[in-house]
Amino acid sequence: ELKVEQNPLFLSMQEGKNYTIYCNYSTTSDRLYWYRQDPGKSLESLFVLLSNGAVKQEGRLMASLDTKARLSTLHITAAVHDLSATYFCAVDRPETSGSRLTFGEGTQLTVNP
Amino acid sequence: EAQVTQNPRYLITVTGKKLTVTCSQNMNHEYMSWYRQDPGLGLRQIYYSMNVEVTDKGDVPEGYKVSRKEKRNFPLILESPSPNQTSLYFCASSFRDGRLSSYNSPLHFGNGTRLTVT
Repeated sequence: ELKVEQNPLFLSMQEGKNYTIYCNYSTTSDRLYWYRQDPGKSLESLFVLLSNGAVKQEGRLMASLDTKARLSTLHITAAVHDLSATYFCAVDRPETSGSRLTFGEGTQLTVNP
Repeated sequence: EAQVTQNPRYLITVTGKKLTVTCSQNMNHEYMSWYRQDPGLGLRQIYYSMNVEVTDKGDVPEGYKVSRKEKRNFPLILESPSPNQTSLYFCASSFRDGRLSSYNSPLHFGNGTRLTVT
């Protein structure tokens, strides 16, 4: 059974600081996704990481994937209040009958002024 | 506008009363899926569909049914709802890539349906 673990689950940080969210998964996969969810809202795709060593950046967020370590990171640079949200990683689990995504529990990020 | 539309957004019902949550997408996506979101558990997959007339169980299918008669629609049916099905439900869709068993486009999510079963 594929397990996806994120840490920390709760993160409170000051504006302007840097921090990293970690996503570990338990079985082989070469596809990993990061999503953002604002309170009471739907999920929005942030990054799709398709191979070992993949790195993607958008604004103050940068995501990377190490398939050998089964680890993805979401790095936040110089946080701003607008980044406050819950962030999910999701791992693709290709199976003979079709792909299935397993989500982590989510990291609830609060950026304080 | 490209979107996944779920209805209703909020639903309060009683135990045992059959209900259907509709999901429709206008992006010609092959893949559609239902998830439920519960505090501390993230999103868990209920059912998914790779294409018309092709559906399969996810991780928590008990108590749910789906159908995929048309490409754009993927309704979620609760034949006899119970209180443990109180949750926030999301429908999602995406393209499939050229491989038979996987896809690489991100999921597009609907706005969610908050279901309460009393």
